[in-house]
Order: sequence, then C-alpha cells, then structure tokens
Amino acid sequence: SAVISQKPSRDICQRGTSLTIQCQVDSQVTMMFWYRQQPGQSLTLIATANQGSEATYESGFVIDKFPISRPNLTFSTLTVSNMSPEDSSIYLCSVLTDNYEQYFGPGTRLTVT
Amino acid sequence: QKEVEQNSGPLSVPEGAIASLNCTYSDRVSQSFFWYRQYSGKSPELIMSIYSNGDKEDGRFTAQLNKASQYVSLLIRDSQPSDSATYLCAVNVPTSNTGKLIFGQGTTLQVKP
Repeated sequence: SAVISQKPSRDICQRGTSLTIQCQVDSQVTMMFWYRQQPGQSLTLIATANQGSEATYESGFVIDKFPISRPNLTFSTLTVSNMSPEDSSIYLCSVLTDNYEQYFGPGTRLTVT
Repeated sequence: QKEVEQNSGPLSVPEGAIASLNCTYSDRVSQSFFWYRQYSGKSPELIMSIYSNGDKEDGRFTAQLNKASQYVSLLIRDSQPSDSATYLCAVNVPTSNTGKLIFGQGTTLQVKP
C-alpha cells in the first residue's frame, strides 16, 4: 500500500478564485490520479498525472480549469481555477503502486460560495 | 449502457448474516477488478483485488469473478455494524496502460444490530 496525504483537508473559497490542492505520497510512484466526488455520487476521474509528462485529462475536464503539476515521483498538485459553486466537491488523489493497485488520499472537501 | 453497474441499495442485512454485493461490467477485455469500501465522509479504501476467475478469500471477505458472465461479487461473512458503508466496484480500462479504473456507483450496505 502507500501512505498519502492531501492539503488542505477542506476549504471554503469565493467564486472566481483558485485553490491548489497538494498530494504527497511516502514512496515513489509512476502514476498519480485526480478524482472528483460529488455528494452521494461515485468517483469521476479528472486526469492522470505521469511524472515527466503532461497530465492526461478525461472528457469534460480541461487544463485551463484544472492545471496539474507533477514535479517528482512523490508529489502532485491540482489547481481548481476560477471557481464557481458547481466546483464544490471532494477532490481525491490516488496513486498506482507497483502491483497495479490504486490507493487514495484522504481527500479535500471544497466549498465555493 | 453504464460500463460498471452496481445496485445502489441500500442493502440491509442483520448482524451475523452474509452480505452479497454484485457488480457487472461491459468491457469483456477487462483484466483487473477491485472492491473499495467508503465510509461516510472518508475516502475509498481498497479491500480486495481479483484478477482470475473463481474465488479469492481474505478474512471475512470473498471476491468472486466470472469473466464469461462479466460479473464480480463481494461476499462479507458474519457482517458487523462496522461493515456499514458504501462499497465501490472498480474495473481497469483495458485500453489504458496507466492503471486507470472505472468505478461503479456503489452499493450502500447497512448492517443492523
């Protein structure tokens, strides 16, 4: 498994602002993923972050809105830009371990007012 | 057609009973299957992975896979109130070499004392 931390754990932001979420893992991993989970819903993949290359975004998600950095094998950030109330959600990072299992961080609960 | 389907529930079982959670998937080429448990307000926790047809047991949990029927299930024996949670079925995306997963909507399990 892997030990994953996220910062912040929660935040309340005003519309039009941006928030950067950090994800740190205790071991080197090739793949990291960013998900969004709306209340009562399942997980929606935003993008896959591979160290050393541009993130790959899923349909409906764009880099201008959700820029991602992956500077090394233990760290990634997701920025939610120009926020609106519709961006209120839980944002989760996950990592892919060597045995191809995904483990999740504790999540960031974002409220946009 | 949804790619990974689960009955949303709630599935209610008495304490000590066997809980049976089911999942079907649409891509016949999928190779990796996972069950996650998510408590309310928490992030998903990996509890089982299965890759071959048949049963895989881990403590009170048994995962069953039938690739011909495109069906994967999770049995929880001697259910406890602490098992009350949402259980997410996840299946790998065969066309992706990144370990990307598709998640079902989740089944809510309630274990009544």
